[in-house]
Amino acid sequence: RKEVEQDPGPFNVPEGATVAFNCTYSNSASQSFFWYRQDCRKEPKLLMSVYSSGNEDGRFTAQLNRASQYISLLIRDSKLSDSATYLCVVKGGGGNKLTFGTGTQLKVEL
Amino acid sequence: NAGVMQNPRHLVRRRGQEARLRCSPMKGHSHVYWYRQLPEEGLKFMVYLQKENIIDESGMPKERFSAEFPKEGPSILRIQQVVRGDSAAYFCASSQQGGPDFETQYFGPGTRLLVL
Repeated sequence: RKEVEQDPGPFNVPEGATVAFNCTYSNSASQSFFWYRQDCRKEPKLLMSVYSSGNEDGRFTAQLNRASQYISLLIRDSKLSDSATYLCVVKGGGGNKLTFGTGTQLKVEL
Repeated sequence: NAGVMQNPRHLVRRRGQEARLRCSPMKGHSHVYWYRQLPEEGLKFMVYLQKENIIDESGMPKERFSAEFPKEGPSILRIQQVVRGDSAAYFCASSQQGGPDFETQYFGPGTRLLVL
């Protein structure tokens, strides 16, 4: 079983749509959780950290369920510029290294 | 405030040659991490270093790969006797020692290694 699992997609959605990505992780000792965004052939960029209480940043909302070892990202009012690969990332369980999911590809279309 | 810098951005080597990848962390960051992204795969952790110390090298291949972060100068990821399977994007990230942002790793633009 992979340490961090994501649906690879692609998710093709029209502009303005709401889209949700899910992620599960296997290490119950994981301590910190993030969503990164990666554009084609570019470096990953931090989108947001994820907290148990849930957190929101503009059109983006992230949730963490520690009991189910489940992380989600909701994007409202999708823009063309949201097209990218979204990486679910987990840290902890004994070190500083980040463990990445393989990413979910989003394509926002006119 | 310059971000994480990596060079070269692209590197072409023939099988058996050596590859040296350099990473300068963000100003004020003392922790450096190297990750590898093989074609069509996710990023995989390789090594975590602080100045003059390797903290975690659990993701490093046992042979041909080494990393250092000297007291002065950039961090270096060195691959000896490269093989075609080493072709990948190598990303460096850095983070702070402490402070409110210590959890966040910031990534450089990567070095794309192609082994012919």
